[in-house]
Amino acid sequence: DAGVIQSPRHEVTEMGQEVTLRCKPISGHNSLFWYRQTMMRGLELLIYFNNNVPIDDSGMPEDRFSAKMPNASFSTLKIQPSEPRDSAVYFCASRDPGQGNTIYFGEGSWLTVV
Amino acid sequence: GENVEQHPSTLSVQEGDSAVIKCTYSDSASNYFPWYKQELGKRPQLIIDIRSNVGEKKDQRIAVTLNKTAKHFSLHITETQPEDSAVYFCAASMGSGNEKLTFGTGTRLTIIP
Repeated sequence: DAGVIQSPRHEVTEMGQEVTLRCKPISGHNSLFWYRQTMMRGLELLIYFNNNVPIDDSGMPEDRFSAKMPNASFSTLKIQPSEPRDSAVYFCASRDPGQGNTIYFGEGSWLTVV
Repeated sequence: GENVEQHPSTLSVQEGDSAVIKCTYSDSASNYFPWYKQELGKRPQLIIDIRSNVGEKKDQRIAVTLNKTAKHFSLHITETQPEDSAVYFCAASMGSGNEKLTFGTGTRLTIIP
């Protein structure tokens, strides 16, 4: 299996622009997580889905952030409009509950908003 | 919700010595405790995990201990090597398969050659 696949790997954008991050979970995994990592705040859970349904979005910072999972093999995290303080590494992760609670991370999307 | 605290935030040890990282959690219902290692510029990767029905688990130079009464768990690395240098994260969840994983703030471990 190719693992969790994220795109883009790196993005530099100007403040005010829309940013869309994409994730393909491991095939057969039915839970998907979006995390944000910064030096100051560590690994923060933004939102997670079970069977494509959002379960907990309490970590989403504000209305500028939105996430969707239209099917079992694809999810997006959108920031509109983006701000410099959104600069971070955004990790997507997936889990197969049948294998316990282990989650597997993608390589991350490194976002810089200037 | 669950709160996980991790100490120390940074740790330097001589190559060959042991390293210990400690975490505490708040929710007594939590029963799954993984440890992730993140090398510079890479993704976090699971190195070992423990469930609440055991008190200790070992995998070569790595061991994790769990004290459910005190609500703390620890990672032990023996005979440290330069490649052990990384950031280590502990985490906790209720382990039902549908619950979220709450992470500690991480420990930057540096192995001094």
